[in-house]
Amino acid sequence: QQQVKQSPQSLIVQKGGISIINCAYENTAFDYFPWYQQFPGKGPALLIAIRPDVSEKKEGRFTISFNKSAKQFSLHIMDSQPGDSATYFCAASAETSGSRLTFGEGTQLTVNP
Amino acid sequence: DGGITQSPKYLFRKEGQNVTLSCEQNLNHDAMYWYRQDPGQGLRLIYYSQIVNDFQKGDIAEGYSVSREKKESFPLTVTSAQKNPTAFYLCASRTGTGNTDTQYFGPGTRLTVL
Repeated sequence: QQQVKQSPQSLIVQKGGISIINCAYENTAFDYFPWYQQFPGKGPALLIAIRPDVSEKKEGRFTISFNKSAKQFSLHIMDSQPGDSATYFCAASAETSGSRLTFGEGTQLTVNP
Repeated sequence: DGGITQSPKYLFRKEGQNVTLSCEQNLNHDAMYWYRQDPGQGLRLIYYSQIVNDFQKGDIAEGYSVSREKKESFPLTVTSAQKNPTAFYLCASRTGTGNTDTQYFGPGTRLTVL
């Protein structure tokens, strides 16, 4: 019930292409869905987040699409750049569980020049 | 210069030894967290603390212990009871009390058991 499933495990994209990472959840109490970006040897950093009252949120080249009925959300990176090469984690939390975040397994993105 | 510091960056331990990982924050955040990161498994919550002198077990607390005597500090002890302690350990703190408040992560400590 608490799991967040993320796919793919790894992704290779050419520079300028679109990177798409998908996540699915079961717990209908989840009401906050952040995405974190992590570079090798560093801690994750918040990239973008969405609440289920909207279906899409865009910040620069990064967009979250949210499908409440399917219990799925995805990260789209437009015009992918080599500097975007990192590991991306989706996460979810519920107000009822306080401050706990449940993370997906992570996607290692490589953007080739 | 505000932020979360973790030390050491790399730590080596012999089997059967306890070891303590440091986490300090000067962001005046009330809540702090410890996660363990293994390849292909994402981040798993070990312990968290929402206020000084109080903490709760996360999903994988067995073999670990914590203390929260000061708001700024949340050290994690990996005990000899932890059967597979080699991993990347991340400390985080959170800006507020709502679940939408951002968690900020430290740079991590990589623990290797020899």
